[in-house]
Amino acid sequence: SQELEQSPQSLIVQEGKNLTINCTSSKTLYGLYWYKQKYGEGLIFLMMLQKGGEEKSHEKITAKLDEKKQQSSLHITASQPSHAGIYLCGADGGGSNYKLTFGKGTLLTVNP
Amino acid sequence: NAGVTQTPKFQVLKTGQSMTLQCAQDMNHNSMYWYRQDPGMGLRLIYYSASEGTTDKGEVPNGYNVSRLNKREFSLRLESAAPSQTSVYFCASSVAGGPREQFFGPGTRLTVL
Repeated sequence: SQELEQSPQSLIVQEGKNLTINCTSSKTLYGLYWYKQKYGEGLIFLMMLQKGGEEKSHEKITAKLDEKKQQSSLHITASQPSHAGIYLCGADGGGSNYKLTFGKGTLLTVNP
Repeated sequence: NAGVTQTPKFQVLKTGQSMTLQCAQDMNHNSMYWYRQDPGMGLRLIYYSASEGTTDKGEVPNGYNVSRLNKREFSLRLESAAPSQTSVYFCASSVAGGPREQFFGPGTRLTVL
């Protein structure tokens, strides 16, 4: 079965700093999904990556999928308190059952 | 559109009691999922329904049953609750045959005493 490892597990940054969260898969990624979760709430979809080398951006968040399709990174530029929360990556391992496997998440704290 | 809705938001049960968690989506999605989220364990798939009329076990199905009532609704039942089932439960849905982005409900926080 596919496993996703996220690093770091938690991260504390000062407002305005840049940061990167990584997601490494034990198998080839057919699709990689980034979600954000605020405490006590559901998951909000951020971005989906499918092609090796693909890069997508939304506001100050950029996600990349490496060429070998086994690792993705999420980069936040000039972090703000509104970026705080848990970031989870989810992986599509292919097949027809549409299941996603999730990493354990990265807890981001942004201090003003 | 309400998206994915879940009821109840909070529930406290005693060991051995039963309950059903309700989930509904108004996005005309074919596939629906139930997850549990526990500290240090991440999101784990309990059951899923790839399409109306089908259900399959996920990673942690023991102690749970599901019903895909129609295309919109997917319920999760705990027949005899145990303290190990204390968790936050999320329902999600996705389209079939295309990008597999899943849309999540707000969650149900369940405590079993």
